[in-house]
Amino acid sequence: EWQLEESGGDLVKPGGSLRLSCAASGFIFSGYNMNWVRQSPGKGLEWVAFITSRSDDIEYSDSVEGRFTIYRDNAENLLYLQMNSLRDDDSAVYYCTTGAGGRVAYFDVWGRGTLVTVSS
Amino acid sequence: DIQMTQSPSTLSASVGDRVTITCRASQSIKSWLAWYQQRPGKAPHLLIYRASVLQSAGPSRFSGSESGTEFNLTISNLQPEDFATYYCQEYSKHRTFGQGTKVEV
Repeated sequence: EWQLEESGGDLVKPGGSLRLSCAASGFIFSGYNMNWVRQSPGKGLEWVAFITSRSDDIEYSDSVEGRFTIYRDNAENLLYLQMNSLRDDDSAVYYCTTGAGGRVAYFDVWGRGTLVTVSS
Repeated sequence: DIQMTQSPSTLSASVGDRVTITCRASQSIKSWLAWYQQRPGKAPHLLIYRASVLQSAGPSRFSGSESGTEFNLTISNLQPEDFATYYCQEYSKHRTFGQGTKVEV
């Protein structure tokens, strides 16, 4: 069974940093593009970042470009999201998802999510 | 940017009903549209992709259709587990989600 499990969410002050992790199991992680998608009460579902299976193409939403970094470790079946210069509006549940197909794709497998709260 | 507008925001229904949710794209997205179901406290779950292709193992009471930039998700014979929030998502350019439609009792 395909599984994704996020961790690392926490309460952090504005301007702070946090690293999210996503552990994949039940499928060949190194063969799949991956994404981070977040959900907040105010902004709904929002795609955040994309990385190809071999990390040779990366894309970010405008709202996080320059502050967040997506990367992966295929040997350990792990996906990461390094979040710096956090703002109040980054507060959300962050989901790790597989991307079906090409660069811009739908999201066919989702983790349970990890909660990030940015507040002073 | 492409805007995805869902209607209605909330839909009241009963078990056994047939319900339809609409998603309109602000420009052509061809058939690059997915539908997700999200139950309270859970992650979204893919139902349909390419506007009308049912995800494997998805219940056949769910169906998708399209007409130009208007897309519909229809649930026939609504079941108790179908009371949830439904989202559309374009994957033509930007991976934009609609704002959601809550199907409630």
